[in-house]
Amino acid sequence: EPEVTQTPSHQVTQMGQEVILRCVPISNHLYFYWYRQILGQKVEFLVSFYNNEISEKSEIFDDQFSVERPDGSNFTLKIRSTKLEDSAMYFCASRRDSTDTQYFGPGTRLTVL
Amino acid sequence: SQQGEEDPQALSIQEGENATMNCSYKTSINNLQWYRQNSGRGLVHLILIRSNEREKHSGRLRVTLDTSKKSSSLLITASRAADTASYFCATDRRGKLIFGQGTELSVKP
Repeated sequence: EPEVTQTPSHQVTQMGQEVILRCVPISNHLYFYWYRQILGQKVEFLVSFYNNEISEKSEIFDDQFSVERPDGSNFTLKIRSTKLEDSAMYFCASRRDSTDTQYFGPGTRLTVL
Repeated sequence: SQQGEEDPQALSIQEGENATMNCSYKTSINNLQWYRQNSGRGLVHLILIRSNEREKHSGRLRVTLDTSKKSSSLLITASRAADTASYFCATDRRGKLIFGQGTELSVKP
């Protein structure tokens, strides 16, 4: 069964460094998402992406964040200058159409020291 | 703002018993989805119920949706120790999922 994959599974970085989290959505899906989950808290929406542009973004998704679909398969989340409070699990999700189930990847645990 | 809220926050039952988790939300939705998360792991999709549906079944799972009360319930029948996990409802409005805090289910063998 097709699934969303994410790399790396765990990323440790120093405060102020740039990180890129990578996702490979399910191949025939058209809508892509990033969410995050701070330890012990609920999952929060960050951004949605469709037709090569951002559809919606949350207040969390400030100028330090960007997303890109550099080729036909990858979907990336970049944090330009990481802060301690960016430490969280980041989930990528994709769906085939706008009302379908969202399928989540296994997540990348980002630790900012 | 739209928000899914589950109750109870934690539920502990014996294997074989049924587990019922509830979810309430505040605004209109396209659909509501239930997910499961094992500790520190990814989100596994369980079931999607659309706003025009009232009940849906999948194996040992039964989900109801009452749009007039803005609430949903997830019933797991004949629970197993392997069902131990956190369960989240997520309301879908124009593609964005809004998650609740979740219910931590513990099923004791």
